[in-house]
Amino acid sequence: QKEVEQDPGPLSVPEGAIVSLNCTYSNSAFQYFMWYRQYSRKGPELLMYTYSSGNKEDGRFTAQVDKSSKYISLFIRDSQPSDSATYLCAMSAGQGNNRLAFGKGNQVVVIP
Amino acid sequence: DVKVTQSSRYLVKRTGEKVFLECVQDMDHENMFWYRQDPGLGLRLIYFSYDVKMKEKGDIPEGYSVSREKKERFSLILESASTNQTSMYLCASSSSGAGRPYEQYFGPGTRLTVT
Repeated sequence: QKEVEQDPGPLSVPEGAIVSLNCTYSNSAFQYFMWYRQYSRKGPELLMYTYSSGNKEDGRFTAQVDKSSKYISLFIRDSQPSDSATYLCAMSAGQGNNRLAFGKGNQVVVIP
Repeated sequence: DVKVTQSSRYLVKRTGEKVFLECVQDMDHENMFWYRQDPGLGLRLIYFSYDVKMKEKGDIPEGYSVSREKKERFSLILESASTNQTSMYLCASSSSGAGRPYEQYFGPGTRLTVT
C-alpha cells in the first residue's frame, strides 16, 4: 500500500462549482499536511499548509485534515478558470525527516 | 520570496551522453531535492541532500548521481542518458528551521528529452 493515495483521475467542473479533492494516507505519524498547485509546464507551488487536525481557510480554499480517518481534503469554492491546474497533496511526519510523501495529483479543469 | 532556479527549461540529449542539471536556491535552505515527474506516476524522489557534501538516495536513484559542493547549489547528473530518463525534472529546497517546517519550494522544472 502506498503511503499516500490520491485518485489521479481528471476532474472537469463548470465555473462557479465547488471542487472537492481528497487524499488518504496510511502513516499515522504524518502531522504536516500540504496542498500544492501546479500549472502546466511549471513547478508546484504551496497552496495550503496545515499542522495536525482541523480546518484551514484561505479565501476560496479550505483544507481539512481528519487524522482519525487518515483523510485530507481540499475544497475550492466558486471555482474559476484560473484554478485549472494539477493539485497534489503532500505530507510529512516531521521529527527531522525532511522528505515529503506526495499523492499523484488531480488535474482540475474549470470550464467557463 | 524564495527562489529556486534550474539551469534549463528544455533540454534535448542523445542516448549515452552525460547530462548535468543544475539547481540553485537563494534562501540559505539546508535541504535540497531532485524529483522526476511522469504522467500517471506523480513525483518521485531521486536524491536529496540535507547539508553540503551530504546526499541520500531517494526512491529511484538508479542511473543518477548528485553533487552538492555549495549550500545553494545541487546538481543532478545522468552518467549515461537513456530514453527512459526522458521526463520532467524538478528541484526543490526546504528549511530545517524557522517558518513552515517541511514546506518545499520548487523550481520551474527542466523537461529533458533523450533521443
